[in-house]
Amino acid sequence: QQQVKQSPQSLIVQKGGISIINCAYENTAFDYFPWYQQFPGKGPALLIAIRPDVSEKKEGRFTISFNKSAKQFSLHIMDSQPGDSATYFCAASMGPLGGKLIFGQGTELSVKP
Amino acid sequence: SAVISQKPSRDICQRGTSLTIQCQVDSQVTMMFWYRQQPGQSLTLIATANQGSEATYESGFVIDKFPISRPNLTFSTLTVSNMSPEDSSIYLCSFQGQPNTEAFFGQGTRLTVV
Repeated sequence: QQQVKQSPQSLIVQKGGISIINCAYENTAFDYFPWYQQFPGKGPALLIAIRPDVSEKKEGRFTISFNKSAKQFSLHIMDSQPGDSATYFCAASMGPLGGKLIFGQGTELSVKP
Repeated sequence: SAVISQKPSRDICQRGTSLTIQCQVDSQVTMMFWYRQQPGQSLTLIATANQGSEATYESGFVIDKFPISRPNLTFSTLTVSNMSPEDSSIYLCSFQGQPNTEAFFGQGTRLTVV
């Protein structure tokens, strides 16, 4: 019930291509869905986040698509660049439980030049 | 945005000893969290530490193993007690201004137990 399942585990994309990472959840009480980006030796940093009252949110080259009925959400990185190579984590949280984050398993993205 | 610093950044410890990790935020925050990230794995929440109350531990984590202090609104410590090689991991502190808002993370403490 508390799990967030993320796929794929790793992803290789050519420069300029589209990177797509998918997540699924079970608990319909989740009401906040962020994506975090983590570079080696660093803590995760918020990339983009969405709440379930919208189906899509775009910030620059990064877009979250949210499907409430399917309990799925995905991150799309357009025009992927080598500098985007990092590990990406989806997460979910519930405000009434203090906002603690439940993280997906992570996706290691490698963008080839 | 607030800055969060964590130390030490890494340490190599002998089994059976304890290590205390410090987390300092440059502004007052209510909610602080401690996570464990095993090599190549995701982040698992250890406990929530709010000032003025006992830390709340997640399933699988106990206070005797991971005692936490939260003496004020800018500082917290996590101790990894009686360490074994299985405790080798990255430990991260985090805070949020409000539930369901951006969480900020320290750079992590890479712990190796030998």
